[in-house]
Amino acid sequence: DGGITQSPKYLFRKEGQNVTLSCEQNLNHDAMYWYRQDPGQGLRLIYYSQIVNDFQKGDIAEGYSVSREKKESFPLTVTSAQKNPTAFYLCASSPNRGIFGNTIYFGEGSWLTVV
Amino acid sequence: KQEVTQIPAALSVPEGENLVLNCSFTDSAIYNLQWFRQDPGKGLTSLLLIQSSQREQTSGRLNASLDKSSGRSTLYIAASQPGDSATYLCAVNSGNTPLVFGKGTRLSVIA
Repeated sequence: DGGITQSPKYLFRKEGQNVTLSCEQNLNHDAMYWYRQDPGQGLRLIYYSQIVNDFQKGDIAEGYSVSREKKESFPLTVTSAQKNPTAFYLCASSPNRGIFGNTIYFGEGSWLTVV
Repeated sequence: KQEVTQIPAALSVPEGENLVLNCSFTDSAIYNLQWFRQDPGKGLTSLLLIQSSQREQTSGRLNASLDKSSGRSTLYIAASQPGDSATYLCAVNSGNTPLVFGKGTRLSVIA
């Protein structure tokens, strides 16, 4: 089935550790995104990528890093510099690069908890 | 900077009632507006997408309207069912930047 796969579903991080969230899509979409959602809040954009080997910061990029080495994959690393990383992370993709007017598709999300 | 507001934050209605969810945005220069549904602990599912040139879109019991000049959209749900219980998010698209989301309206439909 076509879609977006995020893993792991649940992740626990110790203070000072970096963790990486995986996002893979088989929809042949050009654009991919990472959003963060806190309880009772909307989605805030962390990073997005419109094409392989290129990505842009969103509204809350500090403490996060990404890479886009393959069209299908857009992993997100939550670094130790992110002071409040406990949240629900959503990966998404959409068909066209350069313009964001098409329907966006979301993965099932990953829960990250700092212990 | 585009800001999206959704009112009310939460809503509880008896089964069978018709209801309206509201979304407002500050910059009327939008490309389109989308309504999404989110079940607890899950990703988002797109419900309706309205292009800036359109006034409304319908899908089954759902009808979304758009008044771009006033910066408003509504999502009308007819004959609500317990299965409609979820959070509904509105997001606007300016064409050259990714979607900007509201905080959502949490809907509970009581049987």
